[in-house]
Amino acid sequence: KNEVEQSPQNLTAQEGEFITINCSYSVGISALHWLQQHPGGGIVSLFMLSSGKKKHGRLIATINIQEKHSSLHITASHPRDSAVYICAPRRAAGNKLTFGGGTRVLVKP
Amino acid sequence: EAGVVQSPRYKIIEKKQPVAFWCNPISGHNTLYWYRQNLGQGPELLIRYENEEAVDDSQLPKDRFSAERLKGVDSTLKIQPAELGDSAVYLCASSLGAANTEAFFGQGTRLTVV
Repeated sequence: KNEVEQSPQNLTAQEGEFITINCSYSVGISALHWLQQHPGGGIVSLFMLSSGKKKHGRLIATINIQEKHSSLHITASHPRDSAVYICAPRRAAGNKLTFGGGTRVLVKP
Repeated sequence: EAGVVQSPRYKIIEKKQPVAFWCNPISGHNTLYWYRQNLGQGPELLIRYENEEAVDDSQLPKDRFSAERLKGVDSTLKIQPAELGDSAVYLCASSLGAANTEAFFGQGTRLTVV
């Protein structure tokens, strides 16, 4: 079993829809990153959180440390949100980032 | 301030040839990571530096891959000789170093081995 599991692997939404991406992990962590990767582009860090909830524009990230689960929500989705979203928990031991396989999001106009 | 800078952005080489990638992390960041990302997959750690010391290179294929971070700033990752299966995006990232600090990624180098 992978240390980090993301779901769904692929997601297609119509513009304006609410999108949720889920991440479950099995190791003890000090923090968790949500990353965005556009085709051919580098990776952009969206959030780093270790508890509770963070909001940035139309993006919301939540984490439940006890349940080892995090979610990324996109409200009022837009075609420019089309990208791969990657969950990356940072292990508490060793300061090591581990990565989920990513969720490929396509938002259609 | 510039983020993590990588070069080249793209590289196409024939198999068995050597190739090198360069990374300039964000100024002041002690921790530097090299990752490899195959198509459709998440990044996999190759090596992590704390300053100039490689503290985790367990995933680095040492028969053909090498890395260095002289003076604890810039880093180079080398493959010699390259194989077809090395085609991937090679990502560099840096962070301040403490456990709860954010990691910043470069644009990556897309390597194609033909």
